[in-house]
Amino acid sequence: AQSVAQPEDQVNVAEGNPLTVKCTYSVSGNPYLFWYVQYPNRGLQFLLKYITGDNLVKGSYGFEAEFNKSQTSFHLKKPSALVSDSALYFCAVRDDSNYQLIWGAGTKLIIKP
Amino acid sequence: DSGVTQTPKHLITATGQRVTLRCSPRSGDLSVYWYQQSLDQGLQFLIQYYNGEERAKGNILERFSAQQFPDLHSELNLSSLELGDSALYFCASSAGQGTNEKLFFGSGTQLSVL
Repeated sequence: AQSVAQPEDQVNVAEGNPLTVKCTYSVSGNPYLFWYVQYPNRGLQFLLKYITGDNLVKGSYGFEAEFNKSQTSFHLKKPSALVSDSALYFCAVRDDSNYQLIWGAGTKLIIKP
Repeated sequence: DSGVTQTPKHLITATGQRVTLRCSPRSGDLSVYWYQQSLDQGLQFLIQYYNGEERAKGNILERFSAQQFPDLHSELNLSSLELGDSALYFCASSAGQGTNEKLFFGSGTQLSVL
């Protein structure tokens, strides 16, 4: 069965430090992978996606994600964290049975000044 | 602002009741998706409509139904409500029918069943 996992419920990072939010996936075919962010009392916002091509995907707000096929991972990264990056981050993979997204449980990112 | 409008923002009702959640997609988007977000189940896909037709169905209960109207707005109807239906219900829209494209989410309807 296809699935996606976010192993960390919460990640704490000091402002200015690099951040990584982890995501691993399991799919039968080629993965379609996504990252979304949810700010308090708001809907989810698209950050980036990997369909094919370059393993390093650049997205919104300075975020990027690295696709690693051998480790079946798609970790979200940012070189220098901002306090305003504090939010809930969701990784998702497309389910090939119905072409809908399967969502991870979410990782709460807290950036401390 | 995503351009997706959901009403109402909050809804408080009692068990056994029926409610209707409304969603207006982003201008020009033909697909509407409904999601349920709860603490115990996370974000769950319910159903997708594309240009008025049901496109895909997920973990949607038989007590729930949805439709997309000719003007492309959508409604999610929840009936015989139970305490466990309390959740944040999101609508999202996209231009096409595939989910390899960007989804635009509304701010959600917080449903509380008492």
